[in-house]
Amino acid sequence: DTAVSQTPKYLVTQMGNDKSIKCEQNLGHDTMYWYKQDSKKFLKIMFSYNNKELIINETVPNRFSPKSPDKAHLNLHINSLELGDSAVYFCASSQGGKQGYTFGSGTRLTVV
Amino acid sequence: DAKTTQPPSMDCAEGRAANLPCNHSTISGNEYVYWYRQIHSQGPQYIIHGLKNNETNEMASLIITEDRKSSTLILPHATLRDTAVYYCIVSSTNSNSGYALNFGKGTSLLVTP
Repeated sequence: DTAVSQTPKYLVTQMGNDKSIKCEQNLGHDTMYWYKQDSKKFLKIMFSYNNKELIINETVPNRFSPKSPDKAHLNLHINSLELGDSAVYFCASSQGGKQGYTFGSGTRLTVV
Repeated sequence: DAKTTQPPSMDCAEGRAANLPCNHSTISGNEYVYWYRQIHSQGPQYIIHGLKNNETNEMASLIITEDRKSSTLILPHATLRDTAVYYCIVSSTNSNSGYALNFGKGTSLLVTP
């Protein structure tokens, strides 16, 4: 079983559309994250949730909204997609602090 | 969080030890040193972390200097599958709520036959 799974793996969409990326972890971790890796390969944190509570909310456009229905899921909704949103988005989870993250395999979003 | 400095690239012959250095001279007392790697087109993979003692697991060893201003990740017998970008990250952690990882540019390790 995949520990952290993201769907879809690839997403190609037009500017202005609204899309969602889903993430599920079966590790029983309390904390989940979304990271963005841009074309220059820099990985930056976007959000983190701990037991469905928003903990980290970096400076990202309001068009990005995370939703955590339970502690095993953290979905990312993106409204009014722009060309600059094209990137690879990684979901991750950890058991609080002091332990390593487990990352998903990523969702490659291409906005055309 | 303290910043880290890593060489942009390194080569290593297959079967030899790969020693990846990292400088974190501004590290504070409650910050851990984490190492992750990212193999092309995959999600980052956790390798090891430590506070001040040396650590070893099935993947690697982490050597932290006594003053904690630098560390070295050691892959004892590098294989071609160890070719990846290796990230050294310093982060303070909250045991209840998780923590953020600030990825830098990392070291691109190429293991050659």
